[in-house]
Amino acid sequence: GESVGLHLPTLSVQEGDNSIINCAYSNSASDYFIWYKQESGKGPQFIIDIRSNMDKRQGQRVTVLLNKTVKHLSLQIAATQPGDSAVYFCAENRGAGTYKYIFGTGTRLKVLA
Amino acid sequence: KAGVTQTPRYLIKTRGQQVTLSCSPISGHRSVSWYQQTPGQGLQFLFEYFSETQRNKGNFPGRFSGRQFSNSRSEMNVSTLELGDSALYLCASSLATGGDTIYFGEGSWLTVV
Repeated sequence: GESVGLHLPTLSVQEGDNSIINCAYSNSASDYFIWYKQESGKGPQFIIDIRSNMDKRQGQRVTVLLNKTVKHLSLQIAATQPGDSAVYFCAENRGAGTYKYIFGTGTRLKVLA
Repeated sequence: KAGVTQTPRYLIKTRGQQVTLSCSPISGHRSVSWYQQTPGQGLQFLFEYFSETQRNKGNFPGRFSGRQFSNSRSEMNVSTLELGDSALYLCASSLATGGDTIYFGEGSWLTVV
């Protein structure tokens, strides 16, 4: 299939290094955030989420940090692997009663061998 | 548990035609939402359905419509296709309440010629 997001900002990281992908969200009322990974020709895949009553959440090799003061979200990937190469999106939701997500523009992560 | 299933995966249509895309949500999920993904606009919310009712709609013209059936399966329709409708159409499902994690299917690639 085609590749979406052909002109995305790109982060190039050496294999084994840590990656940090940033996202600025738009609405201070948003209270739920998700990071997705999208590989070429596939749909977005859930990675990790965080609610606004937290400022950090950890998963397997991934950590999400939330700074509500400056409306900023980051995704940290530890020991980046070639399989991590993909486009990463953040998404924000304004909580119960709202049913749409607002997605960031995405960042392409390239892992260099 | 099977994921979100979308059909068809790829299709080519001519300007002026109409198209119907289908989505089967994850078993037990009652909310289905649709997104359009293009290189220029990223992921844009189309609409969301729950219990056969549209709860929220994005900023798309009336040529874009959808529906949900009693078994939670959903379809979206685009009439009078334009070249700019060429995109990846993604379906996502969630449990229901808003502020839930949404899980995406692999998408339907639509090319309008």
